[in-house]
Parts: sequence; structure tokens; C-alpha cells
Amino acid sequence: ELKVEQNPLFLSMQEGKNYTIYCNYSTTSDRLYWYRQDPGKSLESLFVLLSNGAVKQEGRLMASLDTKARLSTLHITAAVHDLSATYFCAVSFSGTYKYIFGTGTRLKVLA
Amino acid sequence: AAGVIQSPRHLIKEKRETATLKCYPIPRHDTVYWYQQGPGQDPQFLISFYEKMQSDKGSIPDRFSAQQFSDYHSELNMSSLELGDSALYFCASSSQGGEQFFGPGTRLTVL
Repeated sequence: ELKVEQNPLFLSMQEGKNYTIYCNYSTTSDRLYWYRQDPGKSLESLFVLLSNGAVKQEGRLMASLDTKARLSTLHITAAVHDLSATYFCAVSFSGTYKYIFGTGTRLKVLA
Repeated sequence: AAGVIQSPRHLIKEKRETATLKCYPIPRHDTVYWYQQGPGQDPQFLISFYEKMQSDKGSIPDRFSAQQFSDYHSELNMSSLELGDSALYFCASSSQGGEQFFGPGTRLTVL
């Protein structure tokens, strides 16, 4: 069964702190995506990771992919309130182009 | 740049009624995907079309049907609506199995 799991599900952190969100998936894949979603809004693309060892950074967010461990991480550096949102990883598995989404991580950054 | 267009953006229906959601993909994209996101849930894949043919099917109820037309727009038809069908419905499009780009979503409320 194709499964994608994220942890933690909920994350409350102080401004200025660092934290990492983890995304594990069950079957070989070389395409992993990270999205941000604000309440009631659409999915905003953050990162596209297409190969083992890929690392991408944008502002205070950095994403990496380890296909051997079937693991991706989204690292938050010096969090600010504007980063409060729900973050999803999504995986596209070989043989199908549909996305399987992780359970999501609801992030709240406290001032 | 042109994005995925969905209409309507909001829809309120009574139980047992029908609803039709429309999706206009990015120009020259050949694949359309439909996802359903319940409250507090991750998006779930429903169905996809490649070059106007159904290419994959997920957890789509038998009460739902979809098609892609000659101009590549797609419609999701939902009949005998139930309270549990209340959700955000996203359409996404891609070219040749590449990254999916998501529309703004249609919020369906069933009363």
C-alpha cells in the first residue's frame, strides 16, 4: 500500500526557533513535493525534489530528499509568525502520476 | 502566467442534489487531476485524465463521474450529494507527467 506519513502532526513553536518536519513514504519514489496551505486556500508549491540528495532552500525553509531512506525533511530556520500554515509533502510513485499526500503538519509560530 | 481555473469557487447544495465542478487546465497541459480535501484532512486523489482519456482512478464514489472535453477542460459531476461530500475540491494540471499545478479549489457545502 502506498503510504506517506508526516510528523509531527501539530507543531507550536516560538519565533526565532528552528525545527524539522519529517515525511516518510512506503515505496520507492524519486519525486517529492512540499506544499504550504493556508486555511481554506489552495496548495502553494514550495519545493520540488527529484533526485536522491536533492537539497533546496528558499528563505527560512530548506527541504532535502533521501530516496534510500524514503525520507524527506523540511527544516525551518528562525521561525517567524508568517510561516504559520499547514505543510504537506506529496509523493508521486513509479507507474502513476497521482500524488499521495502526507497527513500534513499544522504549524503555529507564536510571537 | 496562466494558472488552473476552477469554477465555481463556492457552491452550496442540499442533500440528494447534484453538482458540477469545472476545471480549465493551464494551456498545453495534457493531464488533469481531481482531488478532494475534507475538513482537517489531506487531499485525496479522485481521478485523472490524460489526453481526454481516464488515466487513473482513486477513491471516487460511484455517485461521482468526470470527463475531459476536446478543449481539455474537465468536469466533475456529483449526484445524490451527501453531507460527507462537503469538502474542498482541487483540480490540478500537468504536462507529460511533470509537476502538477493546483487550482484555487471549489468549496462545496452540502446542507
